[in-house]
Amino acid sequence: DAEITQSPRHKITETGRQVTLACHQTWNHNNMFWYRQDLGHGLRLIHYSYGVQDTNKGEVSDGYSVSRSNTEDLPLTLESAASSQTSVYFCASSDGDTNTEAFFGQGTRLTVV
Amino acid sequence: KQEVTQIPAALSVPEGENLVLNCSFTDSAIYNLQWFRQDPGKGLTSLLLIQSSQREQTSGRLNASLDKSSGRSTLYIAASQPGDSATYLCAVMGARGSARQLTFGSGTQLTVLP
Repeated sequence: DAEITQSPRHKITETGRQVTLACHQTWNHNNMFWYRQDLGHGLRLIHYSYGVQDTNKGEVSDGYSVSRSNTEDLPLTLESAASSQTSVYFCASSDGDTNTEAFFGQGTRLTVV
Repeated sequence: KQEVTQIPAALSVPEGENLVLNCSFTDSAIYNLQWFRQDPGKGLTSLLLIQSSQREQTSGRLNASLDKSSGRSTLYIAASQPGDSATYLCAVMGARGSARQLTFGSGTQLTVLP
């Protein structure tokens, strides 16, 4: 079955370190998204991609970057981790058409100490 | 900017009750609306997708309606069960600006008591 997987599921890192969260989908979807989920803020869009070599900033992109070298993967990099980036991160994908479902990974809980 | 609101924030009901969760959005220019379920510590599971041209969608005990002109959607759960306990999120895909993105509400935390 097609799926979307995130790794690691849990990560503790120190302030100032670079961290990369992985997202891999086997749906062959063009669209991929990264969200963060925080109490009081809900899910907020960080970055998104509509296809290979395409990346775009979302609502809360400062301090994050992504790259899309193939259809299956959209890694999220925190250039210099900050305590404010402690959160649960979700990756999602959807087909190119605007009227299709979005599917989410299981999330990565990141703690920056 | 699209804003999505879900009321109530939390709901507790006895098993067997029928219940309605509400979702409202400020910009009626949408492609679709999607309802998700999230269990504690888990990812989001898609429940129902309603396209902008549709009025409702049904899956088992779940029925979602959409009134695009008034900016409202409801999720109806029939004969609730303890296994329905979870947080329910609605999200809209806007038709203005950057498409194919979802804007989420903050969710309704549902507890079904045995």
